Amino acid sequence: KAGVTQTPRYLIKTRGQQVTLSCSPISGHRSVSWYQQTPGQGLQFLFEYFSETQRNKGNFPGRFSGRQFSNSRSEMNVSTLELGDSALYLCASSPWGNLDYGYTFGSGTRLTVV
Amino acid sequence: TQLLEQSPQFLSIQEGENLTVYCNSSSVFSSLQWYRQEPGEGPVLLVTVVTGGEVKKLKRLTFQFGDARKDSSLHITAAQTGDTGLYLCAGRNAGNTPLVFGKGTRLSVIA
Repeated sequence: KAGVTQTPRYLIKTRGQQVTLSCSPISGHRSVSWYQQTPGQGLQFLFEYFSETQRNKGNFPGRFSGRQFSNSRSEMNVSTLELGDSALYLCASSPWGNLDYGYTFGSGTRLTVV
Repeated sequence: TQLLEQSPQFLSIQEGENLTVYCNSSSVFSSLQWYRQEPGEGPVLLVTVVTGGEVKKLKRLTFQFGDARKDSSLHITAAQTGDTGLYLCAGRNAGNTPLVFGKGTRLSVIA
């Protein structure tokens, strides 16, 4: 069974640019969540999607947005990049229905803003 | 906002030693999970606990969920170098609330 696939693995962008990150969940998983991981703040919740609907949103500015497609693949977009957006962005998938089911994470996209 | 406090932040021990790391909150969680993350990779689920007082064992790892479902501990017996990594606890309140993570305990096991 293929795992969670995130692309690209590494990305370098300039301040002010925008970026789109992609996540393909495990086949059959309908829920996708996104997290930002930094050394100082740990994993911070960004979004949670189920069946193309955003179920939860974290406390991030409007520059951070996301969506989920009918095949459960998800993308997140960050506009007007700032230096502080440099982080590891992690995507996780899970089946829905059992809230106690653990997440399967991808390897992440390492974004560096210069 | 639910907060999960993990302690200690850093731990460096010799191979063969035992250790315990803690995850505490003032909030009640419907379930609590432990993950291990290695450099350059995403976290990997180790265990989910859902019942207050529950104890689960995974080889040399023992996980316990507090009776009040506000805290949890992870005990490793006879640590090995392969146990090195960042250990994260994560909890979810009842309902469709997001999974929130602690900042983790970074464990280094030295041969």
